[in-house]
Amino acid sequence: RKEVEQDPGPFNVPEGATVAFNCTYSNSASQSFFWYRQDCRKEPKLLMSVYSSGNEDGRFTAQLNRASQYISLLIRDSKLSDSATYLCVVNMDNAGNMLTFGGGTRLMVKP
Amino acid sequence: DTEVTQTPKHLVMGMTNKKSLKCEQHMGHRAMYWYKQKAKKPPELMFVYSYEKLSINESVPSRFSPECPNSSLLNLHLHALQPEDSALYLCASSQESRGDYEQYFGPGTRLTVT
Repeated sequence: RKEVEQDPGPFNVPEGATVAFNCTYSNSASQSFFWYRQDCRKEPKLLMSVYSSGNEDGRFTAQLNRASQYISLLIRDSKLSDSATYLCVVNMDNAGNMLTFGGGTRLMVKP
Repeated sequence: DTEVTQTPKHLVMGMTNKKSLKCEQHMGHRAMYWYKQKAKKPPELMFVYSYEKLSINESVPSRFSPECPNSSLLNLHLHALQPEDSALYLCASSQESRGDYEQYFGPGTRLTVT
């Protein structure tokens, strides 16, 4: 079993749609969680950290479910510019300094 | 608008060449990282520097040699690479090396080994 798993997609959605991605992680002791977006042939860019209480940044909402060991990312009112690969990233142990990346979920927003 | 810069953006080198990748961050971060990313795969960690000391080497072959001259600079020296080493090499930095700190990536160096 992979340590951090994501549905690779692609998710093809029309502009204005709401889309949600889930990511599961294997280590119940994991403490820190992040979503990054990566455009084709570019570097990953931090989208948001994921907090236990959930957090929202504009059209983006992240949730953490520790009991089921998954995090989610909800994108409302999708824009063409949201097309990218979304990487779920987990720190398995706060005492360490290694992040574990999921394989990424590809989103394509169509006009 | 990234505050982590990397040079060069592209590099083509032969298997007998010696070259260096450079990374600089201007955020006062004390941890810096090298990652390797192949097409359609997530980044793979290579090295971690914390307070200018190498703290993690993820069993990277010795043909890759990292160097941290000061807290703002990180180099990756390349020698006798193989074609399978062709990839995007990403530098990142974070405030501290603990995993709860967010990492910020540079734009990467796209390396082709011929």
